[in-house]
Amino acid sequence: QTVVTQEPSFSVSPGGTVTLTCGLSSGSVSSSDSPSWYQQTPGQAPRTLIYNTGTRSSGVPDRFSGSILGNKAALTITGAQADDESDYYCMLYMDNGIYLFGGGTKLTVL
Amino acid sequence: EVQLVESGGGLVQPGGSLRLSCAVSGFTFSNYWMHWVRQAPGKGLVWVSRINKDGSSTTYADSVKGRFTISRDNTKNTLYLQMNSLRAEDTAVYYCARVRASSGRDFDCWGQGTLVTVSS
Repeated sequence: QTVVTQEPSFSVSPGGTVTLTCGLSSGSVSSSDSPSWYQQTPGQAPRTLIYNTGTRSSGVPDRFSGSILGNKAALTITGAQADDESDYYCMLYMDNGIYLFGGGTKLTVL
Repeated sequence: EVQLVESGGGLVQPGGSLRLSCAVSGFTFSNYWMHWVRQAPGKGLVWVSRINKDGSSTTYADSVKGRFTISRDNTKNTLYLQMNSLRAEDTAVYYCARVRASSGRDFDCWGQGTLVTVSS
């Protein structure tokens, strides 16, 4: 059973930089897994931030960037703001047409 | 304006059935793959199912395979999720999502969700 792994929680200071990662329990994440990233605040639907590893969705500030770091997908927030405090989920496309979400990272900005 | 509006959620007993709908507007529904994603209370997002543009191809997560059926009516601009043999662990907010046309592998629009509660 493949599991997508994310840090359960992370903290960043306002104006700081944080990198959240998305890995696989067995193997490495690559661009062929088409990693995408979603932001969700309590009670709201998810919002797409990044797709195809590093492409920002329309309207997403350029302080959000995506990449592959080592064997994981990564979401970097540069110059974190208070309203970036949210849950962040990565999603990977698997070869058999199945999609898998990570467990999510709760980001605190303080 | 692109809109996805889910409906059909509610309270159902274990073993019961429910059909969710996702009515879309603001785009040509038949040009897009569609998905269902769910989120149990206080938990993370879980992918449930997908359907291709004309409804001829579907895929399911193992946790719902054989119990849930995704379908669509392109004449009514509506996506469906028929849920049978419901279990307590199916309790969640269910979101419909549109696949981004340019990438084919992520979601560019989400509905606001409908809550399904399975309990006696």
